[in-house]
Amino acid sequence: EVQLVQSGAEVKKPGESLKISCKTSGYSFTSHWIGWVRQMPGKGLDWMGIIYPGDSDTRYSPSFQGQVTISADKSVSTAYLQWSSLKASDTAMYYCARPQEITIIRGVITVGGWFDPWGQGTLVTVSS
Amino acid sequence: SYGLTQPPSVSVSPGQTARITCSGDALPKQYAYWYQQKPGQAPVLVIYKDTERPSGIPERFSGSSSGTIVTLTISGVQAEDEADYYCQSTDSSPWVFGGGTKLTVL
Repeated sequence: EVQLVQSGAEVKKPGESLKISCKTSGYSFTSHWIGWVRQMPGKGLDWMGIIYPGDSDTRYSPSFQGQVTISADKSVSTAYLQWSSLKASDTAMYYCARPQEITIIRGVITVGGWFDPWGQGTLVTVSS
Repeated sequence: SYGLTQPPSVSVSPGQTARITCSGDALPKQYAYWYQQKPGQAPVLVIYKDTERPSGIPERFSGSSSGTIVTLTISGVQAEDEADYYCQSTDSSPWVFGGGTKLTVL
């Protein structure tokens, strides 16, 4: 069974750094993309970015490029999402999820497919 | 704003049929996917590739597509189906979501 287990809730101050994790099991970590999705309080879902752990190919949504860093550690089958300087507007629930049936043509993701399964979510609260 | 358009809310009585629509210009060319999210829980895929149902999802959940509109239909709605539902597809971005529809079971 494929499982994605995320790290626990975090409370941080503006300007602080943070790295949250998504530990995977039940499949070959290096052979599948894995991504992150944000859900702000009371709002919908926003795709942030994805990474292919096999070669660390990372793609970001334009909305999140430069704002976060996605990484992966093959030795522990874990993906990460990190911030160097948090803002109050980063307060949200963050989900890791595995995208299915991505289509890449000449290096460009032309079709994203769907996300399944999802981690349980990590709540990040940024407040002074 | 979100790339796909959903009604904010739908209400039905138990046993009735709920239909949640999602519209988007790219939907005639791209598959749509549907997720159910209950309060305090992560989203769960209920329909993929417009009409396919993942294993473990009850048969009362079905999907259809017609032009720029896709529809999630829940037949014989049960109290446990009360949740937020999100559609998702590919458009200008590989993953575009709708704003979500809150299904209330009266």
